[in-house]
Amino acid sequence: DVKVTQSSRYLVKRTGEKVFLECVQDMDHENMFWYRQDPGLGLRLIYFSYDVKMKEKGDIPEGYSVSREKKERFSLILESASTNQTSMYLCASSGTSGSQDYEQYFGPGTRLTVT
Amino acid sequence: RKEVEQDPGPFNVPEGATVAFNCTYSNSASQSFFWYRQDCRKEPKLLMSVYSSGNEDGRFTAQLNRASQYISLLIRDSKLSDSATYLCAVNTGGFKTIFGAGTRLFVKA
Repeated sequence: DVKVTQSSRYLVKRTGEKVFLECVQDMDHENMFWYRQDPGLGLRLIYFSYDVKMKEKGDIPEGYSVSREKKERFSLILESASTNQTSMYLCASSGTSGSQDYEQYFGPGTRLTVT
Repeated sequence: RKEVEQDPGPFNVPEGATVAFNCTYSNSASQSFFWYRQDCRKEPKLLMSVYSSGNEDGRFTAQLNRASQYISLLIRDSKLSDSATYLCAVNTGGFKTIFGAGTRLFVKA
């Protein structure tokens, strides 16, 4: 079974703090993703990575950065947290070979509150 | 127009009912299609991929209609445990997958 883990389930930070969210997958997947999910807006892609040290902007990258130094780990960084970044953050991974291309597997999510 | 659209529901059905969800997509070049299930305050979990010929997994049947650009999910003999939000997802052949906002299902005794 694919396992994707995230460093925290719940996080409370203050406005202006730098926030690190970490994600680790154990399936040797090439692709990793960061989404945020808000009521009524669904899943929105922040950044994704298709290889170590490679990253691509998603639909809403402003205010975020990412790091992928190892294949299994993908970090999301909020450089200066703001209240409008209060959300559920979901990490996902997927492979790129075989019949299961693009099937994404999600971590349990981090519910971030910025006060 | 959103790239992937779903009826948000909620769908309220009694146990044992058959319920169907549709999901429309705008990009005719889309190649891969999926249904995910998401329980309250949990992560989405892959329910099934949707193949061109349609596919079935127990009480769940997924179909693809490329001409009309929609996918569907049919749940037969609904159980209380089927209560969840169902997300459709569409991939256009690159790394990016677009998710619908989800359809909420409540199955009642």
